[in-house]
Amino acid sequence: KQEVTQIPAALSVPEGENLVLNCSFTDSAIYNLQWFRQDPGKGLTSLLLIQSSQREQTSGRLNASLDKSSGRSTLYIAASQPGDSATYLCAVPGGSYIPTFGRGTSLIVHP
Amino acid sequence: DGGITQSPKYLFRKEGQNVTLSCEQNLNHDAMYWYRQDPGQGLRLIYYSQIVNDFQKGDIAEGYSVSREKKESFPLTVTSAQKNPTAFYLCASSPQRDGYTFGSGTRLTVV
Repeated sequence: KQEVTQIPAALSVPEGENLVLNCSFTDSAIYNLQWFRQDPGKGLTSLLLIQSSQREQTSGRLNASLDKSSGRSTLYIAASQPGDSATYLCAVPGGSYIPTFGRGTSLIVHP
Repeated sequence: DGGITQSPKYLFRKEGQNVTLSCEQNLNHDAMYWYRQDPGQGLRLIYYSQIVNDFQKGDIAEGYSVSREKKESFPLTVTSAQKNPTAFYLCASSPQRDGYTFGSGTRLTVV
């Protein structure tokens, strides 16, 4: 059964720092990996989707990498801003293409 | 714009009452999912459907029921058998073997 772990569970940083959020998974036979953002009381917003054949994806200040062989993905946030404060989750499809989610990293960026 | 619409945003249930949460998508996605999110906990799968007129139980299906009569719609009924229904409910959809799209959620409270 696929298991997804996210480290750290929480992070508080001053504005402007470059951040690294980690996601690890136990079964490397994945189709893709997806990073989401969730604001309090809101749904999940997709940030980046990396297909299994890709090594990274970029969108603005966000860069996600994927290393299937080691079962790891990293979300890099450059020049963090208070508006980046949210919970970040990663998800990988498991059996029957059902997504397995990590517990998330709760990020606070203070001015 | 294509997306997933969940309604209502807030729902209040009296003891012993059944309530139905709506989830509609216009993305032409085959698969749809229902998740429950409790404070401090990860996303837990209630039910999923990979094709019209077919659905499967997830990890916490007891006290819930679903139907999938149309590709666009996947309503979730919270029955009186669900003893602790207060939670945030999220609906998602996906095409086969590609990323997931989430709705904005319904917050259900027992009064």
